[in-house]
Amino acid sequence: AQSVTQPDIHITVSEGASLELRCNYSYGATPYLFWYVQSPGQGLQLLLKYFSGDTLVQGIKGFEAEFKRSQSSFNLRKPSVHWSDAAEYFCAVGAGEYGNKLVFGAGTILRVKS
Amino acid sequence: DGGITQSPKYLFRKEGQNVTLSCEQNLNHDAMYWYRQDPGQGLRLIYYSQIVNDFQKGDIAEGYSVSREKKESFPLTVTSAQKNPTAFYLCASSIDLGGGNQPQHFGDGTRLSIL
Repeated sequence: AQSVTQPDIHITVSEGASLELRCNYSYGATPYLFWYVQSPGQGLQLLLKYFSGDTLVQGIKGFEAEFKRSQSSFNLRKPSVHWSDAAEYFCAVGAGEYGNKLVFGAGTILRVKS
Repeated sequence: DGGITQSPKYLFRKEGQNVTLSCEQNLNHDAMYWYRQDPGQGLRLIYYSQIVNDFQKGDIAEGYSVSREKKESFPLTVTSAQKNPTAFYLCASSIDLGGGNQPQHFGDGTRLSIL
């Protein structure tokens, strides 16, 4: 069965520092991969997605992610974190017959210190 | 502005009571989904629907029911059979179910608590 692991429950970074959030997936075929962000009490907003092609994907708010098939990873990065980036981040893989049933990781809570 | 509207934002349920969470979208999307979110567990799929009058069980459908009488609406009923209903419920939609390259758009959620 498809699964997603986000090894870090919490991460704290200083404002202006770089960020990397880890995501590992388990899926037999070429996966559809997503990163979402959630502010407290809100819904999820799509940051970026990977379906095929270039393994480095650019998203909104200055985020990027790199698909590494050999490592079954899809890590999210940002070169310089802003205080407004504090939120919970979810990695997801598209599963099921059509790839549209999302399987989510447990999330990583990002704290930004000034 | 197109989007997904969930109501109410907060909902309280008494023991043995059914409650219905509303989800409306004006994105003209065919597919709609309900997820349950618990702390530290990510989101889990309850039900999904790809067209009107059709829906499928997700991973945790027990104790829940849905209907899809209109394209825009996909209400979720939490029945008394759901023994642990306290959670944050999220509704989502996508253009259709035919291909994983269509991201899901989410509403702002309903937080359900037991009195």
